[in-house]
Amino acid sequence: GAVVSQHPSWVICKSGTSVKIECRSLDFQATTMFWYRQFPKQSLMLMATSNEGSKATYEQGVEKDKFLINHASLTLSTLTVTSAHPEDSSFYICSAPHPSHGSYEQYFGPGTRLTVT
Amino acid sequence: AQSVSQHNHHVILSEAASLELGCNYSYGGTVNLFWYVQYPGQHLQLLLKYFSGDPLVKGIKGFEAEFIKSKFSFNLRKPSVQWSDTAEYFCAVEPSGYSTLTFGKGTMLLVSP
Repeated sequence: GAVVSQHPSWVICKSGTSVKIECRSLDFQATTMFWYRQFPKQSLMLMATSNEGSKATYEQGVEKDKFLINHASLTLSTLTVTSAHPEDSSFYICSAPHPSHGSYEQYFGPGTRLTVT
Repeated sequence: AQSVSQHNHHVILSEAASLELGCNYSYGGTVNLFWYVQYPGQHLQLLLKYFSGDPLVKGIKGFEAEFIKSKFSFNLRKPSVQWSDTAEYFCAVEPSGYSTLTFGKGTMLLVSP
């Protein structure tokens, strides 16, 4: 099946710094990728839809200036958490849809654990 | 906006017991339905999906789910669980024609050997 990778798998940063998380589709092209956030014992919450070559679409309540998304190529989307604060600590997961048997299937990355101290 | 409700946050079963995890959604239109599984330390993986056709869908590892449109439900079942089924299970809904998934809060299944 299709593979989606994320880097780094975990990161610890100091409050006020910025962190970049990469999401790559390894064996297929993805014009669209999705970024989710998962708090402990809670569901995945869609943050934004990343579109190759155009601006990302953010869900209501997600600060676009804080969570910068760049989808510069058909295999790479990046999420930059700017001026991170402890409340940004979370598990960030990306996904990309891949055609499968006439429809498509979402393939998920392994996630990135962000801890802001 | 659509929402997904999973009835149980934690389920503990013994091996060979039968499993049923509830999932209800709210959305007025046509939907695609999914169950994902996340084994400890691993990616989310697709267990099964329903797009159209037979409302009883079979997935990997002996799992199946039944879409009951009148009840807005898509419950996951397995007749006999194994210790290796210990994982977190997420139900997800996608309005047909869109790519955004809405997830339930997940159900943590613990199967004791």
